[in-house]
Amino acid sequence: EAGVAQSPRYKIIEKRQSVAFWCNPISGHATLYWYQQILGQGPKLLIQFQNNGVVDDSQLPKDRFSAERLKGVDSTLKIQPAKLEDSAVYLCASSLFGSGGSTDTQYFGPGTRLTVL
Amino acid sequence: AQSVSQHNHHVILSEAASLELGCNYSYGGTVNLFWYVQYPGQHLQLLLKYFSGDPLVKGIKGFEAEFIKSKFSFNLRKPSVQWSDTAEYFCAVKNNAGNMLTFGGGTRLMVKP
Repeated sequence: EAGVAQSPRYKIIEKRQSVAFWCNPISGHATLYWYQQILGQGPKLLIQFQNNGVVDDSQLPKDRFSAERLKGVDSTLKIQPAKLEDSAVYLCASSLFGSGGSTDTQYFGPGTRLTVL
Repeated sequence: AQSVSQHNHHVILSEAASLELGCNYSYGGTVNLFWYVQYPGQHLQLLLKYFSGDPLVKGIKGFEAEFIKSKFSFNLRKPSVQWSDTAEYFCAVKNNAGNMLTFGGGTRLMVKP
């Protein structure tokens, strides 16, 4: 079974530029998550989709971050404009069910390491 | 809001030593608990999980964890570590109301050969 795919693996940009990350979840997984992992910290949830609807985006900085999952499969996360403090690894995860699935397990992709100069 | 605390940020052990990594969470209701591991250069992988039943859960590679509800703890253990266990370990909690995972800050384990 293929895992969660993410691209690019690395990205270096200057502040105020824009950047986009792509994620393809495990086939058949209804729920997709984007996390931000700053160096030395655990992952922090940014946004959760179930199919193509947003379940939780309470921790997404909406003034600069946006995400979509138009067809309920793959997803993109965009930052515009980027700030220095956005330097982090952006992780995508997917799970079979979604909200209320008490035995649900999230499977993570390799992440995209973003450096903002 | 739920939170997770991992007390040890860095642990250095020699091979064959026993390992115990602490994890405490704060949430008053029913929780699901996870340990994830991230080997150098690799992505986060599930090590073990607790949903219900026997509070002592066994995972891959000889790891186990014990859920102690009264202490809000879910400590990870391994009787004898190997050099290949060098990695960063993350404890995470999910409340039963939704699917949001909250992670601890991680513990970086180095095993000396």
